[in-house]
Amino acid sequence: SQTIHQWPATLVQPVGSPLSLECTVEGTSNPNLYWYRQAAGRGLQLLFYSVGIGQISSEVPQNLSASRPQDRQFILSSKKLLLSDSGFYLCAWSVASWFPNTQYFGPGTRLTVL
Amino acid sequence: KQEVTQIPAALSVPEGENLVLNCSFTDSAIYNLQWFRQDPGKGLTSLLLIQSSQREQTSGRLNASLDKSSGRSTLYIAASQPGDSATYLCAVRGDGTQGGSEKLVFGKGTKLTVNP
Repeated sequence: SQTIHQWPATLVQPVGSPLSLECTVEGTSNPNLYWYRQAAGRGLQLLFYSVGIGQISSEVPQNLSASRPQDRQFILSSKKLLLSDSGFYLCAWSVASWFPNTQYFGPGTRLTVL
Repeated sequence: KQEVTQIPAALSVPEGENLVLNCSFTDSAIYNLQWFRQDPGKGLTSLLLIQSSQREQTSGRLNASLDKSSGRSTLYIAASQPGDSATYLCAVRGDGTQGGSEKLVFGKGTKLTVNP
């Protein structure tokens, strides 16, 4: 069966510090991968998605970036965090297919920027 | 731009009651609609996915309906239990036509509390 992992589970970082969140998927090959952010009082917002190694699409301009160094690894990064980067970050995967299908979400990372 | 609205934002019911959660979307050019459950501090669990050509989907005590032309979906929960307490999120996937995006757009959710 497929599983998706995220770490760390929680993170408290000062403003201006760098960020690296990791997501890995097991039990499937060539998945589509997604990064979402859930901020207080707002719905989930798609940040990045990837259909293959090195292929990243950005949905929202911001100081965040994403990379996919391996088939089942997706990394969210920032060089300098802002207060507004605080939120709950969720990674998701779906089967790569010509038609959209169910996305499966990881346990999330709670990021607090102080 | 697709917008998804969920009403009510919060709902509290006694155990055993049947209930309906509502979701509306502004752009009817969707490929599918999905209902998720989110427990506090946790990720999302997919409950039901309805393709645009379908009218409803059922799973156990859950039934989701879709009226694409009117931009509405409902999630019906029968015989609610305290374990159903969670936030329920609705999300639509655009079909990419008419310049719309194919990404998944989420509502803000309905927080459900089922009291024993």
